[in-house]
Amino acid sequence: DIQMTQSPSTLSASVGDRVTITCRASHYISTWLAWYQQKPGKAPKLLIYKASTLESGVPSRFSGSGSGSEFTLTISSLQPDDFTTYYCQQYNDYPYTFGQGTKLEIK
Amino acid sequence: EVQLAESGGGVVQPGGSLRLSCIVSGVTFDDYAVHWVRQAPGKGLEWVSGITWNSRGIGYADSVKGRFTISRDNAKNSLFLQMNSLRPDDTAFYFCAKGHDSTVTAHFDAWGQGTLVTVSS
Repeated sequence: DIQMTQSPSTLSASVGDRVTITCRASHYISTWLAWYQQKPGKAPKLLIYKASTLESGVPSRFSGSGSGSEFTLTISSLQPDDFTTYYCQQYNDYPYTFGQGTKLEIK
Repeated sequence: EVQLAESGGGVVQPGGSLRLSCIVSGVTFDDYAVHWVRQAPGKGLEWVSGITWNSRGIGYADSVKGRFTISRDNAKNSLFLQMNSLRPDDTAFYFCAKGHDSTVTAHFDAWGQGTLVTVSS
């Protein structure tokens, strides 16, 4: 099975900051990687798919990059609504796996 | 607008069984793979199982293999998860999620709101 290691697990930042979250796959997954945002008590929301494609309706301050086994999610200028939890997910093959999550907190 | 609605959650004793359902509307259901993802209270996301449009591509997480069975009824726009031999660590919110296309390599572009399964004596 492919393990996804996401870091950091917690990130403290301020409104307007640029932040980056990293996700590493234990095996090659090409660009079969997605990023989701989840707010408390809600279902996850797709932000980025195929490593770098922005989902329709998602603000352009979100961007993704990487291929192979190392990937990043960058938020260019944090807004108050962005302080929540983010997950990466590989969908290269079954079983799909998620990273353990990154909680973005207000500094 | 695509909508997914889970049902069937509840409280069950260890060793018991439960069947979850998910009705998908707003899209042609048999054009898409669909999945189950769970989240224990206060924990991260765990993919549970997925099924391609024609039910030929089925996968399970190691943690549920041999105990859970995924199925779909394209005529009824419905996804199911039969859960047997339930354990306390199966306690979680269970979400159904729609794949972006019919294949295995598809991200999830729509989610239901989840149904809570509690395994406790």
